[in-house]
Amino acid sequence: AAGVIQSPRHLIKEKRETATLKCYPIPRHDTVYWYQQGPGQDPQFLISFYEKMQSDKGSIPDRFSAQQFSDYHSELNMSSLELGDSALYFCASSLEEGSVAGGTYYEQYFGPGTRLTVT
Amino acid sequence: KQEVTQIPAALSVPEGENLVLNCSFTDSAIYNLQWFRQDPGKGLTSLLLIQSSQREQTSGRLNASLDKSSGRSTLYIAASQPGDSATYLCAVVIGYGQNFVFGPGTRLSVLP
Repeated sequence: AAGVIQSPRHLIKEKRETATLKCYPIPRHDTVYWYQQGPGQDPQFLISFYEKMQSDKGSIPDRFSAQQFSDYHSELNMSSLELGDSALYFCASSLEEGSVAGGTYYEQYFGPGTRLTVT
Repeated sequence: KQEVTQIPAALSVPEGENLVLNCSFTDSAIYNLQWFRQDPGKGLTSLLLIQSSQREQTSGRLNASLDKSSGRSTLYIAASQPGDSATYLCAVVIGYGQNFVFGPGTRLSVLP
């Protein structure tokens, strides 16, 4: 089965440079979430998109921006990189399942992550 | 604001033991709860998903329970193996289409 694809898998940048991370959701998924996981920390929600519109915003720095395109892939753009931006960046996409015990539910599927190292 | 905690932070056990990992969340109005496994420097592997209307889920040697009213979930691992060594993360979704809120994880080491 197709999974969430993230590219690149590894990225090394210098301070003050820019970086673009890409996420390709599972086919037919229309919602994308971005998470940041710093060293030794739990993943923190950054931003999400539904049908190409921003749906929610978490602890995303102003230096970061993101968008979802017509084919539902998403890009996270990071400018003026700082050492503290070094982290594992996860993308997740969601699918609306059919009914379970009378109700609908959905599940987020995570990509393998992009490891960003800022030197 | 939803907060998720996990106890213990780290656990080291000999191979073959049955063990329990605990997860607590402050707001009982969750949509679902999911347990993940993460190997060092790697991605998240989904283990078990429990919908808010469910009380437990089982997969192989893993069993997860959910008690929404008390804001708790437990992950039970039977007959632990060295290959189970990893960090186990608990995460909750507070509403349909909402993001995950993760706990800090329990770092498990199973010694041969």
